[in-house]
Amino acid sequence: NAGVMQNPRHLVRRRGQEARLRCSPMKGHSHVYWYRQLPEEGLKFMVYLQKENIIDESGMPKERFSAEFPKEGPSILRIQQVVRGDSAAYFCASSPTRETGARGTEAFFGQGTRLTVV
Amino acid sequence: GQSLEQPSEVTAVEGAIVQINCTYQTSGFYGLSWYQQHDGGAPTFLSYNGLDGLEETGRFSSFLSRSDSYGYLLLQEPQMKDSASYFCAVRVNLGDDKIIFGKGTRLHILP
Repeated sequence: NAGVMQNPRHLVRRRGQEARLRCSPMKGHSHVYWYRQLPEEGLKFMVYLQKENIIDESGMPKERFSAEFPKEGPSILRIQQVVRGDSAAYFCASSPTRETGARGTEAFFGQGTRLTVV
Repeated sequence: GQSLEQPSEVTAVEGAIVQINCTYQTSGFYGLSWYQQHDGGAPTFLSYNGLDGLEETGRFSSFLSRSDSYGYLLLQEPQMKDSASYFCAVRVNLGDDKIIFGKGTRLHILP
């Protein structure tokens, strides 16, 4: 059972370009979370999705950022017209549904995509 | 708003007992979890408490008091390889299963 897969691991973009970050959750997991982490800082919640639905995007900037989790394929975090302040590590996590028991609260993280805007 | 508070740094020597505290203020609560993250790596799940009391997972233990909105992670016989960041996290039961993380505690284990 493969873990959470994120690609690319490293992404360099010039200011004004678009960044697309992909996340394939663990098999059987229907919940996907995106987090952002700046150097020396904690994980900041951005968005929570289930298949084809955005459940909570309260942590995502209103402009330039969007996320989707289509019926088929990976979850995508898209950042349009990137700026230097978008440089960070973006982690995706997946979890099973709560009904799978206490360990259903466990989230499995991918290795992250490190975005550098130059 | 939702917040989890934990110390930014803790330093200990090998062989001592380390405790990292976490207090939370969230609109809902469905369990407190702990994650470990080494520099450059992904957070990995360590421990979970859904009910009050102590849970033991090898050298790591975690405690929860829901009435105090407080928990801690305990590490026995820490080794230098345990130097990492440790995050507490709460699943907020608002029907959306969102997980909120604290800012993390950087643990330094000295020889």
